[in-house]
Amino acid sequence: ETGVTQTPRHLVMGMTNKKSLKCEQHLGHNAMYWYKQSAKKPLELMFVYSLEERVENNSVPSRFSPECPNSSHLFLHLHTLQPEDSALYLCASSQEVAPGVITYEQYFGPGTRLTVT
Amino acid sequence: QKEVEQNSGPLSVPEGAIASLNCTYSDRGSQSFFWYRQYSGKSPELIMFIYSNGDKEDGRFTAQLNKASQYVSLLIRDSQPSDSATYLCAVLTSYDKVIFGPGTSLSVIP
Repeated sequence: ETGVTQTPRHLVMGMTNKKSLKCEQHLGHNAMYWYKQSAKKPLELMFVYSLEERVENNSVPSRFSPECPNSSHLFLHLHTLQPEDSALYLCASSQEVAPGVITYEQYFGPGTRLTVT
Repeated sequence: QKEVEQNSGPLSVPEGAIASLNCTYSDRGSQSFFWYRQYSGKSPELIMFIYSNGDKEDGRFTAQLNKASQYVSLLIRDSQPSDSATYLCAVLTSYDKVIFGPGTSLSVIP
C-alpha cells in the first residue's frame, strides 16, 4: 500500500460511454499526476496538478478530461474513447517542497486497467 | 535519439549475483534521477533516487550517477528471485519534465 488508491481497478467501456477514474492520496501531498502505460511503451505523463491547478497537459486528446477538486482527489473523465486508449492508467502523487518546486519522488496508485471495446 | 534509454532485456542473473541495470539520458542539464521497480501487473514503486554524481547506497541497492557520461545505473547485490521485475529509470530534465525509460526486465534465477 503506497497511500494512493484508485477506483475502479478494472473498467471495460464502449466507445460511446462516459466514465470517470478516481484517485485519492492519503500522504498529504499537494501534487498529483495521471500517467498512461501501454504495453511495450514507456510511461506517458498525461496531466500534472500542483496545488489543485493544472500545470501540465502533455498534448492529451480532449476525450480525456482531468479534474482536481482538492489536493487529495484527482479524477479523469473519459468520453468517446478509442480502442487504442486501452491501457493501464496510473495516478501518482508527490510533495511540492517550495512554490513551484516539486520533488518528483512520486508514489503510484495500483492503476485502473481500461479496455475500450 | 530517445530521451531516456534502457536495455529492454530480459536480463537474467543467478541468485546471489550482482544485477547491473543501466540507463542513459540525452538532456545534459538533467538534475534528478529515479529508479522504480514494477512487478508484473502492479504499479511502479520508487526504490532509489539520486541527485549528485557518485554512488548512493540503500541496503542491497546502489545507484550510480555519472553526469559527464550521462548515465545512471542501479546495482542490486545478492540478487533474490523476489527482485525479478521490470526496473524503470526516470529522469527529471532541465525543462522540468520527468521522462521514463522503457524499463529493463530482470529475472533472477534460483
